[in-house]
Amino acid sequence: NAGVTQTPKFQVLKTGQSMTLQCAQDMNHNSMYWYRQDPGMGLRLIYYSASEGTTDKGEVPNGYNVSRLNKREFSLRLESAAPSQTSVYFCASSALGGQGNYGYTFGSGTRLTVV
Amino acid sequence: GQQVMQIPQYQHVQEGEDFTTYCNSSTTLSNIQWYKQRPGGHPVFLIQLVKSGEVKKQKRLTFQFGEAKKNSSLHITATQTTDVGTYFCAGSGTYKYIFGTGTRLKVLA
Repeated sequence: NAGVTQTPKFQVLKTGQSMTLQCAQDMNHNSMYWYRQDPGMGLRLIYYSASEGTTDKGEVPNGYNVSRLNKREFSLRLESAAPSQTSVYFCASSALGGQGNYGYTFGSGTRLTVV
Repeated sequence: GQQVMQIPQYQHVQEGEDFTTYCNSSTTLSNIQWYKQRPGGHPVFLIQLVKSGEVKKQKRLTFQFGEAKKNSSLHITATQTTDVGTYFCAGSGTYKYIFGTGTRLKVLA
């Protein structure tokens, strides 16, 4: 039982390059999320998908796009990477929008550096 | 928009001392969750509090939800080196949670 799987684990991009971060969950969760984590800033929500077929902006959506490919997969795309997007990115999923006694299940993260 | 703040940002304690982190929301919450993130790891769900004034315990950890449902606290009794990490609260929104800034705990042996 893998839970939430993120790829890649590490990535270095040059300014202006594009890339897609992949996330897949095998827990049959309806909701999926992308967060970024920066020192002293906690976890900030980029985009989320409450259920298959829907996506919504979070707190810091600028410079990102997402695709909820199916119930299992939720990808995050950086079209033109900027140094300000250097961060650790976490994907998470939940059964009931995060409610209940299980909360979110997080992936192990992608450490992205933009030079 | 909704904001969730935590204090302190950092805390160093001697092993065996107690530790408390506080979480404050700008809006009333329907519930609040707590997570722990070990260094280099990912956040792991600890607990959810729903009722006004609710208190829950997990071994040495005590979680409280304020009467007005706008604040919460996590208290660790007699810290151990295994408690090292960052503790986050997360306030409920519609289909999503807003995370606090976190409190990084270091325990000195």
